[in-house]
This record gives sequence, structure tokens and C-alpha cells, in this order.
Amino acid sequence: DSGVTQTPKHLITATGQRVTLRCSPRSGDLSVYWYQQSLDQGLQFLIQYYNGEERAKGNILERFSAQQFPDLHSELNLSSLELGDSALYFCASSPRTDTSGNTIYFGEGSWLTVV
Amino acid sequence: AQKITQTQPGMFVQEKEAVTLDCTYDTSDQSYGLFWYKQPSSGEMIFLIYQGSYDEQNATEGRYSLNFQKARKSANLVISASQLGDSAMYFCAMRGMDSNYQLIWGAGTKLIIKP
Repeated sequence: DSGVTQTPKHLITATGQRVTLRCSPRSGDLSVYWYQQSLDQGLQFLIQYYNGEERAKGNILERFSAQQFPDLHSELNLSSLELGDSALYFCASSPRTDTSGNTIYFGEGSWLTVV
Repeated sequence: AQKITQTQPGMFVQEKEAVTLDCTYDTSDQSYGLFWYKQPSSGEMIFLIYQGSYDEQNATEGRYSLNFQKARKSANLVISASQLGDSAMYFCAMRGMDSNYQLIWGAGTKLIIKP
């Protein structure tokens, strides 16, 4: 158990809909990362938050947004869903952001299927 | 720019044998971290082992060890006495200032342990 909690574990939704994925980081971790893993594109970094502030942006679509709340949990919002958004979405956390030494621990992922 | 190369798309190994998964990297950073993650078919991303660029000794975690050859820029994962449960995808990753401390991922190696 990595200590990173993601909900829901599985989600099936229709095209055009909106979903919210939730993440609770490891106790004490200030940094939260979101990743998307699809069969054709591998593991893609989406966005990072550190202590409530956006820290870095990766290949995140404009239809997607995220935030980190004062209690450090984070939500990833996916809207106007398309078939191609079907993927495994990971949340990960680490204590800090400005170091190469902290390990980034991953949650179990949220499987999203868009039909 | 940082880059991770895993040259073995797939490997078959007999149970109880040792296995080496290759990883080479490229970076201009002096300080960086190298990581190995395991992803079984159930999907979760499991942290295995970490090696810091200034660590003089190779990292070990139980049956996992990291064969770090800094001059050759390689960070191979060695699994001793392989078990059927080791069958999974294995990803090598690194982070450093050059990548804004985001994880840079290799393409992964699919390891299958034969009984």
C-alpha cells in the first residue's frame, strides 16, 4: 500500500459527460501529480500541484482541469469526454517538489472507460 | 533534455533465475534520481527502488538491486531468484532539475516469468 488513495477505481461513462477523479496523497506529502496512461501513448504527465498551487503542467487537455484543496487532496476533472480519454489515471504524491531525491508514490489508479 | 531508454520490450525468464532489466539514461544534470517501478496486470504502479546520482553504493531492496554505472549512464534493475509474481511491466524513470523534477519515463519492459 503506497498510502496514496484514489477514487473511484473504475468508472464507465458516456461520451460528452464529465467526471471527477479524487486523490488523497500520502500523509505529509505536499506535492500531487496526475498522470494518464493509455495503450497508445504510454504514461503521460498531466499536471502537478504543490501545497495548493499549480506547479507544473504537462500534456493536459483544455477539457481537463485539476485543483488541490487546503487539506491537500486533489481532484482531476475531465469534461466533454471522448472515446480517446479512456485510460488509467494515476495520482501520485511526494513530500517536496524541488529535489530529485524524493520518491514519487503512486495510487492504484482510476480506470476510466468512455463508451 | 533528459531521456530514458529501455531496449528490451519483452523478456522471458525461468522461475528462480536472476534477471537483469536494462536502463540507460541521458542527462546534463549533476544531481538526479533514478527509479524503478513495477506495474502488474492489475494496473497499479509500484515503487521498487531508488538510486541517487551521488550515491556511491548500489541501491538494494530485498530481491531488487540497482546496478548503477554512472560513467556508462546505466541503471539496470537486477531481480534475484525470480518468482511468478514478478511477471509485470517494469519502468525505469529519472528526475532532475533538467526535467523540472518531473519523472521522465522509459517505454518499459514486459517481464514474463515461466514456471
